[in-house]
Amino acid sequence: DTAVSQTPKYLVTQMGNDKSIKCEQNLGHDTMYWYKQDSKKFLKIMFSYNNKELIINETVPNRFSPKSPDKAHLNLHINSLELGDSAVYFCASSQRTGGDGANVLTFGAGSRLTVL
Amino acid sequence: GQNIDQPTEMTATEGAIVQINCTYQTSGFNGLFWYQQHAGEAPTFLSYNVLDGLEEKGRFSSFLSRSKGYSYLLLKELQMKDSASYLCAVRDGDYQLIWGAGTKLIIKP
Repeated sequence: DTAVSQTPKYLVTQMGNDKSIKCEQNLGHDTMYWYKQDSKKFLKIMFSYNNKELIINETVPNRFSPKSPDKAHLNLHINSLELGDSAVYFCASSQRTGGDGANVLTFGAGSRLTVL
Repeated sequence: GQNIDQPTEMTATEGAIVQINCTYQTSGFNGLFWYQQHAGEAPTFLSYNVLDGLEEKGRFSSFLSRSKGYSYLLLKELQMKDSASYLCAVRDGDYQLIWGAGTKLIIKP
C-alpha cells in the first residue's frame, strides 16, 4: 500500500564506504526526486528524473550517482562517503514535471544516513 | 538570490489559533506550498496557493499575497497532533521548488 517506499530506513557506515538507497513508487507518477535534509532541516533538491530521464542535477558531488531503471524506481548510489554526507535522504514523486497546478510531491519515509 | 524565511519555532496552546508566516524572495513565482512534517517522518502536503487570497481546508487555511512576497498558514482549534514542523516552499519556475527551513510548532495542553 505504501505509495513511495525507500530502503533502508537507517544506514550507519564508515567514511570511505560506498552505499546505495533504493526508492520505488506505485503511484504511476512520471517524475521522481532525491532530496537531502540536513541537520538544519532545509530540504535541498539533488536530482529529478522524468520518465527515466535526468532533468534536474543540482550542484552535487559526482560521488552521488542516481539511477532510474524505469519510471517507478530511482536509486541513489554514494561513493567514498564523507562525514558531511550524514543527513536524511528523501525520495519523492509527482505526477509530472510541469508547473501547472499543484503537482504535489509525495515523499518516502526517509533514509537516515550516518557516516562515522 | 532565492530566499524563504519562516520563524524557527512557535508555541501555542491546545484549542487556540496560530498563524505561521512565510516571506519569500525568488527569481520567479509559480505557486506556494505548505507541507507538514512530524518529527522523524516525511513531509506531507497541506496546501497550495498560486493566486492571491485565502484557501480554506478544514481547520487549516493558507493565505498568499504575491505583491508582498508573503504567505501565512493559519491553524485553528489546535490539537496536540498538530505539533510538527511546517515547511513553506515556492516553485520559482516550471518545476524548481525552493524550501524554507520550516517552523517547529509546539502545542501545549
